[in-house]
Amino acid sequence: SQQGEEDPQALSIQEGENATMNCSYKTSINNLQWYRQNSGRGLVHLILIRSNEREKHSGRLRVTLDTSKKSSSLLITASRAADTASYFCATDHSGGSNYKLTFGKGTLLTVNP
Amino acid sequence: DTAVSQTPKYLVTQMGNDKSIKCEQNLGHDTMYWYKQDSKKFLKIMFSYNNKELIINETVPNRFSPKSPDKAHLNLHINSLELGDSAVYFCASSLLDRAGYTFGSGTRLTVV
Repeated sequence: SQQGEEDPQALSIQEGENATMNCSYKTSINNLQWYRQNSGRGLVHLILIRSNEREKHSGRLRVTLDTSKKSSSLLITASRAADTASYFCATDHSGGSNYKLTFGKGTLLTVNP
Repeated sequence: DTAVSQTPKYLVTQMGNDKSIKCEQNLGHDTMYWYKQDSKKFLKIMFSYNNKELIINETVPNRFSPKSPDKAHLNLHINSLELGDSAVYFCASSLLDRAGYTFGSGTRLTVV
């Protein structure tokens, strides 16, 4: 399976702390994306990193990509209670017009006030 | 302004019934998708359409039939519903240039 695997499955931290989630995948990618899903809602796109990039930032988010290890990490700095959600990595392994994302099982992040 | 809208949000139905879920996007995207999220939150692609043309059809029972009347709409019809079809179904859209997806808010289907 090409499916990404997030680690840990669940993470509980205090407000103000940093949260780090990891994602590993098995086959080469075009890009890797991170999404957030609040309970009972749809997924929201957070950040996309291409296979030739190593690091990207967006506000309090920092994503790294190591294609040699087939892994990525998402760091959320200075976490807030509103960051409580499930976080998914999604990988694009597709070629041509068969664009699709393959999602991992997610990390459930709980930020305690 | 809802970018990707799905209806209905909740659907409770009996085994054996036929039901449809509708999806519309106003983003001008050229590609639309259906994903199924199971009770363990695992998301699996079912179909994708690019400009009304079926591009991806994963291993999905042929009781599931997508229809795209135009590139802004992608509907999902399910025949002879089974208990195992209970899940949250998400519609999403994107541009084909490998950008991020925009998801709808999901349809929670419960088959009883």
